[in-house]
Amino acid sequence: GAVVSQHPSRVICKSGTSVKIECRSLDFQATTMFWYRQFPKQSLMLMATSNEGSKATYEQGVEKDKFLINHASLTLSTLTVTSAHPEDSSFYICSARARSYEQYFGPGTRLTVT
Amino acid sequence: AQKITQTQPGMFVQEKEAVTLDCTYDTSDQSYGLFWYKQPSSGEMIFLIYQGSYDEQNATEGRYSLNFQKARKSANLVISASQLGDSAMYFCAMREASGGYQKVTFGTGTKLQVIP
Repeated sequence: GAVVSQHPSRVICKSGTSVKIECRSLDFQATTMFWYRQFPKQSLMLMATSNEGSKATYEQGVEKDKFLINHASLTLSTLTVTSAHPEDSSFYICSARARSYEQYFGPGTRLTVT
Repeated sequence: AQKITQTQPGMFVQEKEAVTLDCTYDTSDQSYGLFWYKQPSSGEMIFLIYQGSYDEQNATEGRYSLNFQKARKSANLVISASQLGDSAMYFCAMREASGGYQKVTFGTGTKLQVIP
């Protein structure tokens, strides 16, 4: 099956700093990538939909100035958490859509803000 | 209103037995897709099975089958011959058009534990 990677898998940062998470589709081109956030023992929450070459579409309640998304190529999307705070600590998962319905998920990034 | 409802927060099943995980959905779209994903304790999401709203036959993938009842708006996942490695969180999800673009919404998940 298709492979989606995320880097880093874990990151610890200090409050007030920015963190960038990369999402790559390794063996297919993804015109659409999605960013999710998962709180402990809860479902995934869609943060934004990222289309290559255009601005991301953010879900209601998600601060676009805080969670910067860039989809620079058909294989790479990045999520930057700016001025991170402890409440931003979470598991961030990206996914990439390969064909009309298949969506493949990355392994996730555990962010801890101290 | 919940778009995807999974009413079973936790389930137990004996190894080698079959288990059904419930999922109901709500949409006004005529064209939509339903997915099931498995999330082991490691956190990654694994795609299991897909059912399109216009597919007349229930989807099957190995030991996984999706019991699609369109009139009831349900898309239950059936796992046959459960294995210990099936212990994980299972999420039902729906793809629909929303505001001119497609989005996927997940249910709250069901934690399945397979007992030896």
